[in-house]
Amino acid sequence: QQQVKQSPQSLIVQKGGIPIINCAYENTAFDYFPWYQQFPGKGPALLIAIRPDVSEKKEGRFTISFNKSAKQFSLHIMDSQPGDSATYFCAASIGGYGNKLVFGAGTILRVKS
Amino acid sequence: NAGVTQTPKFQVLKTGQSMTLQCAQDMNHEYMSWYRQDPGMGLRLIHYSVGAGITDQGEVPNGYNVSRSTTEDFPLRLLSAAPSQTSVYFCASSYASGGAGNTIYFGEGSWLTVV
Repeated sequence: QQQVKQSPQSLIVQKGGIPIINCAYENTAFDYFPWYQQFPGKGPALLIAIRPDVSEKKEGRFTISFNKSAKQFSLHIMDSQPGDSATYFCAASIGGYGNKLVFGAGTILRVKS
Repeated sequence: NAGVTQTPKFQVLKTGQSMTLQCAQDMNHEYMSWYRQDPGMGLRLIHYSVGAGITDQGEVPNGYNVSRSTTEDFPLRLLSAAPSQTSVYFCASSYASGGAGNTIYFGEGSWLTVV
């Protein structure tokens, strides 16, 4: 049983497009929702994170939208570039145990130039 | 400052063999954990530690053992390797306090194949 469901599995967009990756969770005790970016052969790296008392957070070209009532959150990448091609994971955790992350299955993003 | 260092990078084991994946961090982080990454399943927590001498099980602990004798090191032991343990293993560390305020740092991974 996957507690965090992520979609789509893969995504191809043109350079400059806005890929959107969606995640849904079930456990209402989750209170920290990070997104990780992973390049081939590397470990995941934190991209951006949000807490449920905020509906949107922007960092550079990356935006998280959060809908607490629907138990959903999404990642938008503005003006996507070929260098953004990577695997993206959403995750969730409870309280101070930020190291006990529950991950989504991942989305492979390819940005075509 | 090397961050989170994992060794070995690649390993092939025969079924039934045992081995230890090493993880070391030089950031004085209290929290350390091990995840495995399998296609289509994201990363799943194996074991974690909130400080030296304290460990606990994650989502998929069977077949793995951990210990935390120092703040810096958190080795993962495979007791009797099985083909189902073929995976990429990631060690991670972070400061203990808070959730959203702490970045979790991942190592570069250890690719393990069990034949």
